[in-house]
Amino acid sequence: DAGVTQSPTHLIKTRGQQVTLRCSPISGHKSVSWYQQVLGQGPQFIFQYYEKEERGRGNFPDRFSARQFPNYSSELNVNALLLGDSALYLCASSPAWGGNEQYFGPGTRLTVT
Amino acid sequence: EDQVTQSPEALRLQEGESSSLNCSYTVSGLRGLFWYRQDPGKGPEFLFTLYSAGEEKEKERLKATLTKKESFLHITAPKPEDSATYLCAVQAAAAGNKLTFGGGTRVLVKP
Repeated sequence: DAGVTQSPTHLIKTRGQQVTLRCSPISGHKSVSWYQQVLGQGPQFIFQYYEKEERGRGNFPDRFSARQFPNYSSELNVNALLLGDSALYLCASSPAWGGNEQYFGPGTRLTVT
Repeated sequence: EDQVTQSPEALRLQEGESSSLNCSYTVSGLRGLFWYRQDPGKGPEFLFTLYSAGEEKEKERLKATLTKKESFLHITAPKPEDSATYLCAVQAAAAGNKLTFGGGTRVLVKP
């Protein structure tokens, strides 16, 4: 079975630009969560979606937004990029709400110059 | 606010030298405590979920235990391929699928 997939793998952007990251959950999973992981730190929660509705948001500015599509895939958008947005962006997939199974994708490495 | 602290930050082991990693947590109503393994530049790989104090789970050379305030990941007779960062995360009962992570423990096993 295919795991969580994310695209692109790597991305280089300039300050002030906008970026869209994509995630496809494991087949049958209805929940997607997004995390930011700065080098040397643990992942930080950004958003969680279940059944196409936002169900929670972490302590991130409004420049960060996301959505979940009818096929349960998801996009994370970041506007007006800052150098501090450089990080590994991770998507996690879960079959249910309050799920005891959370599987992560390989991540998208974003570098802002 | 949920908090997770992992110690030590880094651990250097000789092959075969068993050790334990600590994860201390505070959470409003624990639904589950998760352990992940992460290799450099890759996404976290799911290892275990623990739900209640006293619970233990094993996988190969890894064994995770849970108390009301902390969890331990025991690595028995480690091999070089066990070198990775081990992440601990808690899921609160009222937080849906949100995970709160610790900073991780970087483990290096030398042959």
